[in-house]
Amino acid sequence: NAGVTQTPKFRVLKTGQSMTLLCAQDMNHEYMYWYRQDPGMGLRLIHYSVGEGTTAKGEVPDGYNVSRLKKQNFLLGLESAAPSQTSVYFCASSRQRSSYNSPLHFGNGTRLTVT
Amino acid sequence: DQQVKQNSPSLSVQEGRISILNCDYTNSMFDYFLWYKKYPAEGPTFLISISSIKDKNEDGRFTVFLNKSAKHLSLHIVPSQPGDSAVYFCAAIKTSYDKVIFGPGTSLSVIP
Repeated sequence: NAGVTQTPKFRVLKTGQSMTLLCAQDMNHEYMYWYRQDPGMGLRLIHYSVGEGTTAKGEVPDGYNVSRLKKQNFLLGLESAAPSQTSVYFCASSRQRSSYNSPLHFGNGTRLTVT
Repeated sequence: DQQVKQNSPSLSVQEGRISILNCDYTNSMFDYFLWYKKYPAEGPTFLISISSIKDKNEDGRFTVFLNKSAKHLSLHIVPSQPGDSAVYFCAAIKTSYDKVIFGPGTSLSVIP
């Protein structure tokens, strides 16, 4: 099993460009999440999904959109990239609502630079 | 305002000694606390957790202690090994939420 796979691994965008980050999981998990990691800020939740066809806002949703058309995939879109969106993006999944026995499984991240 | 705080951005420990990583939280309604470990260029991986009704949980070299009255938890690694060098994130969960709240992380270096 590959677990959680994120593509691409690296990307450089110019301000105003758009892109989509793809997350795929092969564990049949219901819940999927997008986080961003910034120095001194830890991991902050952008959007999440509790099942196929559902999405919800996290702590820092502005400037991002998501879709969960298939259970195994969770897409994160940036419609008009800004330098403030320079970050490392992590996708995660969990079998059910996060708890001590349903921890998050993370992908290896996408490093995005917006110039 | 950060609900989960890790006030030490970095920690350096000699191999074989004890590493103690600290975490403070502000919301007394959290039900579970978890520690994740992250190596460079990889995603975080789950390490150990503790329920708010317990004060200690142990798994091999790793032990997490919870002091609810102080809203404080700590991760002890004994003995520390060079392979433990990583960033450690403290995280908290309230079961009625669908979200995990992470702290900013502490970078541990274990010196051979």
